[in-house]
Amino acid sequence: GAGVSQTPSNKVTEKGKYVELRCDPISGHTALYWYRQSLGQGPEFLIYFQGTGAADDSGLPNDRFFAVRPEGSVSTLKIQRTERGDSAVYLCASSPQPGLAGGFYNEQFFGPGTRLTVL
Amino acid sequence: AQRVTQPEKLLSVFKGAPVELKCNYSYSGSPELFWYVQYSRQRLQLLLRHISRESIKGFTADLNKGETSFHLKKPFAQEEDSAMYYCALSGGDYKLSFGAGTTVTVRA
Repeated sequence: GAGVSQTPSNKVTEKGKYVELRCDPISGHTALYWYRQSLGQGPEFLIYFQGTGAADDSGLPNDRFFAVRPEGSVSTLKIQRTERGDSAVYLCASSPQPGLAGGFYNEQFFGPGTRLTVL
Repeated sequence: AQRVTQPEKLLSVFKGAPVELKCNYSYSGSPELFWYVQYSRQRLQLLLRHISRESIKGFTADLNKGETSFHLKKPFAQEEDSAMYYCALSGGDYKLSFGAGTTVTVRA
């Protein structure tokens, strides 16, 4: 079946502009995650959705970043007043359901990412 | 706080030689450890996890709680193993903390 998809694959914008990045998770996956990967670094957690609600947004760097998942499927990451330091690859991942108590972990399936460049 | 360290940015080995990628972590509780791999022009995917204790594509990794390490090993590297490898940790709250990654090049 189809994997996680992200659009656009590349986005170039100017400093100060607003951008939206979209993620389509695997059908039926209730958990959705956003990560940011800067050049030469591993992915860094931004936000986690369980269904429609943001269960953990502790990784969002500041209030310019916001994400929604209104119907519990597609998610949009929104960045206001973009800065050059926001340039990175933004990754989305989904999993069937969050892990159960006791440490069981459900594999996160990653999308191809959106490369954001802020000029 | 949880942290994952991969000390090697680049690793180059000859085909057929053993390869070991180092991963150290810091976490106060009982973490779950993973190795993710990204082949050229492909998306990030799970390679193995310490809980399953399985060998994938000839790779194994043992969690050493005393040394807080989760090194990835393969006795005989193949050219198709050339990729970027990330060690990752979950502290039980589902989000992953990744290391900076190691680029492996297997030369013929």
